[in-house]
Amino acid sequence: EDQVTQSPEALRLQEGESSSLNCSYTVSGLRGLFWYRQDPGKGPEFLFTLYSAGEEKEKERLKATLTKKESFLHITAPKPEDSATYLCAVQAPYFNKFYFGSGTKLNVKP
Amino acid sequence: NAGVTQTPKFRVLKTGQSMTLLCAQDMNHEYMYWYRQDPGMGLRLIHYSVGEGTTAKGEVPDGYNVSRLKKQNFLLGLESAAPSQTSVYFCASSYLSTGTNEKLFFGSGTQLSVL
Repeated sequence: EDQVTQSPEALRLQEGESSSLNCSYTVSGLRGLFWYRQDPGKGPEFLFTLYSAGEEKEKERLKATLTKKESFLHITAPKPEDSATYLCAVQAPYFNKFYFGSGTKLNVKP
Repeated sequence: NAGVTQTPKFRVLKTGQSMTLLCAQDMNHEYMYWYRQDPGMGLRLIHYSVGEGTTAKGEVPDGYNVSRLKKQNFLLGLESAAPSQTSVYFCASSYLSTGTNEKLFFGSGTQLSVL
């Protein structure tokens, strides 16, 4: 069964304290792995897509990496404005079908 | 460009009542989706559409119906609301699959409470 598991469920960091969020998945024939950011009361907003093991993408303080079994979202020297829930989604090969994890709620304290 | 617009933003229903959620997108996307988001469960696909006049069931379709009479609109209906349908509902849209441009664009959500 296709599944996506994110850990930890919640993460509290001090401003400047780097860390990583994990997304592990089991899906046959991964077509793509997506990271989204979701702020309270809003819809998810696209961050990155990764397509093959070894691929990396960066945006400001965020860096996403992909292996055959999991993806990491590395946050370097986070700021309070990075506080949000980060969602991971994997795309199955058939149709535009996405499986979402339950997210990691990040809280960065000043 | 408004992107994906959902109405209403909040709604309270009594058990057994019906309602329709409206989603509109102005990006000329082929694909549209309805998801529900519940605490600890992630986003789950209710129904989706691959083009005007088409609809299909997702993971959790029971109790919901959809219609896509126009390419830019995707309606989600609850015929007889139940407390288990209390959730946050998100509409999303995406381009026709090209292999490298399949990200989802989401609306801001509808908070639905069924009493």
